[in-house]
Amino acid sequence: AQSVTQPDIHITVSEGASLELRCNYSYGATPYLFWYVQSPGQGLQLLLKYFSGDTLVQGIKGFEAEFKRSQSSFNLRKPSVHWSDAAEYFCAVGVEGGSYIPTFGRGTSLIVHP
Amino acid sequence: DVKVTQSSRYLVKRTGEKVFLECVQDMDHENMFWYRQDPGLGLRLIYFSYDVKMKEKGDIPEGYSVSREKKERFSLILESASTNQTSMYLCASSFGLSGRATDTQYFGPGTRLTVL
Repeated sequence: AQSVTQPDIHITVSEGASLELRCNYSYGATPYLFWYVQSPGQGLQLLLKYFSGDTLVQGIKGFEAEFKRSQSSFNLRKPSVHWSDAAEYFCAVGVEGGSYIPTFGRGTSLIVHP
Repeated sequence: DVKVTQSSRYLVKRTGEKVFLECVQDMDHENMFWYRQDPGLGLRLIYFSYDVKMKEKGDIPEGYSVSREKKERFSLILESASTNQTSMYLCASSFGLSGRATDTQYFGPGTRLTVL
């Protein structure tokens, strides 16, 4: 079965600084990878997803993520963080032919200092 | 845009009460899901449904049941609420025609349930 690890429970950055949130997955074949964001008091919203092709994926709100097969990683990045980016971020993995349910990581809470 | 709505944003119930959480989606999605979210534990799947009247247990179904009489509506039922069911409950839906876990999930805003 596939699994997802988000090693950082909390990340604190200053507004305007760059951001990288880590996600590692465990699965034998090519996975389908997602990043979701949960703003305070809200449900989850899809930021971006990778199925195949270009390993650098662009998403909404200025985020991007890079799939690195050799490292089993799908890290989320943003060059300049805004205070409104403070939220919980979830990485998820799905597999072709698998169940209807993706596997979610435990989430990383992003704190943005002014 | 897909819209997933949940009947309540906040709910306070007493131990032993029967609790209904309602979820409605407006995009004719096949799959619907109920998760609970607790700090440090992420999202844990309670039940999901891939068709009307069909349901499957997730990782933590104990103490919960579900109902899906119509395609757009998926209800979570706490038969006898207990304090350890105090949590955030998230409903989600996904298209399902291509099936499987490649589909994007669309989430509702969540219901924060407190059981006293």
